[in-house]
Amino acid sequence: DAGITQSPRHKVTETGTPVTLRCHQTENHRYMYWYRQDPGHGLRLIHYSYGVKDTDKGEVSDGYSVSRSKTEDFLLTLESATSSQTSVYFCAIRQGSNYGYTFGSGTRLTVV
Amino acid sequence: EDQVTQSPEALRLQEGESSSLNCSYTVSGLRGLFWYRQDPGKGPEFLFTLYSAGEEKEKERLKATLTKKESFLHITAPKPEDSATYLCAAAEAGGTSYGKLTFGQGTILTVHP
Repeated sequence: DAGITQSPRHKVTETGTPVTLRCHQTENHRYMYWYRQDPGHGLRLIHYSYGVKDTDKGEVSDGYSVSRSKTEDFLLTLESATSSQTSVYFCAIRQGSNYGYTFGSGTRLTVV
Repeated sequence: EDQVTQSPEALRLQEGESSSLNCSYTVSGLRGLFWYRQDPGKGPEFLFTLYSAGEEKEKERLKATLTKKESFLHITAPKPEDSATYLCAAAEAGGTSYGKLTFGQGTILTVHP
């Protein structure tokens, strides 16, 4: 199995503060994705990356930015956290041509 | 806009009671239809990929099928350990999609002993 680690696993932060979530993979996969999961909405794509320094927006990218300076790390930043960004965030990598994703264990973020 | 809709939202079964979950999709050319299982507090786990109408995949008590408009996940003689949320997702054909998936909202399956 591909090693994919998300950190932190849980975080509580205050409205207006910046927050960075980290996704680390150990197998040099090219494609990486950030999703958020909310009741009633399912998994929605925030941003994705198709290589070092190559990123693009997903369907719910407002208020989020990403960076990928190394193949193994994909960072998601909330510039100024809002309560609407309280969610569970999942990182995923794409393995092979069958599009099967491997997901991380998630980060539960609460903005108070 | 791509859409994936799953039904029912929740399904309760007795152990051994077979049933099916539905996933209907609207995409501009389907590149693949994916099924995942998600346990509480964990990330989704990949189950199947289906590429063309008529295709079927099986794994233990699960069988996934695909038509031109929908996919079914059939669960035969389920056990309590099959309890989970089942997600389906569609990938749109196209050279710039970079493997992006559109997910349905999931079906919460509970199997009682």
